[in-house]
Amino acid sequence: AQKVTQAQTEISVVEKEDVTLDCVYETRDTTYYLFWYKQPPSGELVFLIRRNSFDEQNEISGRYSWNFQKSTSSFNFTITASQVVDSAVYFCALSEARSGNTGKLIFGQGTTLQVKP
Amino acid sequence: DVKVTQSSRYLVKRTGEKVFLECVQDMDHENMFWYRQDPGLGLRLIYFSYDVKMKEKGDIPEGYSVSREKKERFSLILESASTNQTSMYLCASSPQGGRVTSGANVLTFGAGSRLTVL
Repeated sequence: AQKVTQAQTEISVVEKEDVTLDCVYETRDTTYYLFWYKQPPSGELVFLIRRNSFDEQNEISGRYSWNFQKSTSSFNFTITASQVVDSAVYFCALSEARSGNTGKLIFGQGTTLQVKP
Repeated sequence: DVKVTQSSRYLVKRTGEKVFLECVQDMDHENMFWYRQDPGLGLRLIYFSYDVKMKEKGDIPEGYSVSREKKERFSLILESASTNQTSMYLCASSPQGGRVTSGANVLTFGAGSRLTVL
């Protein structure tokens, strides 16, 4: 069965520290997509990244980077030099090819990141 | 720059009341979704719709129904609200699937509707 696990419920760091958010997924599909979303205090989830199962290259976008490892079924998210504005709930999600690419996502439990000044 | 709008940000209802949560998107997306967000459980899919008048059950459809009479509008209905339906409800939309294009399975979310059932 498909499943996404974010074992870290809450993380607290001091500004400028690096922080990694873990995501482990389960799927029987060979074709799937992984996502990260950010939910700031305003409540609206904001899309950060999508990766497909055939592309294991790590990606960097400014202070954000993502490490996709199929061997460990993980898709971890690192924020370098964290800032107070990074404080939010972060969700990892999975979309399987069997969902017909309708956008049906399975979400993890979410990790609340607090960055203190 | 409004894309997905949920009509009510906060609602307080009483047990047994019928509750309507409205969602409108202005991106001409075919797919629309209702998720429920609870602490420690993440987001769970209630219902989704891939076309007007079409709907499919998600993972937790019990106690809910939906309506999609127009492409841009997707309503979530609680026929008889119960206290265990107190939650944050999130609406989302995405463009048509088939072959995944650059944005085909990327969801755009509304700001959420926090429902309290007393």
